[in-house]
Amino acid sequence: DADVTQTPRNRITKTGKRIMLECSQTKGHDRMYWYRQDPGLGLRLIYYSFDVKDINKGEISDGYSVSRQAQAKFSLSLESAIPNQTALYFCATSDFGLAGGETQYFGPGTRLLVL
Amino acid sequence: GESVGLHLPTLSVQEGDNSIINCAYSNSASDYFIWYKQESGKGPQFIIDIRSNMDKRQGQRVTVLLNKTVKHLSLQIAATQPGDSAVYFCAENYSTGRRALTFGSGTRLQVQP
Repeated sequence: DADVTQTPRNRITKTGKRIMLECSQTKGHDRMYWYRQDPGLGLRLIYYSFDVKDINKGEISDGYSVSRQAQAKFSLSLESAIPNQTALYFCATSDFGLAGGETQYFGPGTRLLVL
Repeated sequence: GESVGLHLPTLSVQEGDNSIINCAYSNSASDYFIWYKQESGKGPQFIIDIRSNMDKRQGQRVTVLLNKTVKHLSLQIAATQPGDSAVYFCAENYSTGRRALTFGSGTRLQVQP
């Protein structure tokens, strides 16, 4: 979805390096999320933010940090990258869906390889 | 190519047939459910949603069925087309709560011409 953009789309880094993945949205949504996806494991939530001052840990937040710089921007950082953080990372935003619950819209993903 | 979903369960159907993809959820308090489609190299895309006060909801060529008694969700795709080939995920949540969506592990649908 072009309304949710992620940069970079691909990144190769070395163990111990600090890297940042960025997400921007033009949908005007308050809620933003970061997920990682590994083969056979579906999507796992890293962090989520319900507004600029409300940031929450997800199920796998260890080794990651986030920054919500503005309503439209939510960045994910790996302070010291390790090989098991090699994965596909998705940013998402949300509003309420047709059935009245929360629907999330995903960016195109960032493929990260940690050597 | 896309390595996500390498070990996912796979459903293989013939073009034109109907497809049924199943999902079991664990949280009996969940009251909102979504199906997503993920094509190779792309992010998940919303297909259809349903609240727990319904047991069936129809969209264009897709139907979602919810059985709260056994905590089971299914996605039916009518007249499956090659463009339907993707990985399909179900997700659950509280419709009014602060908890984020919980995703299932996904099913790969392969449509044979």
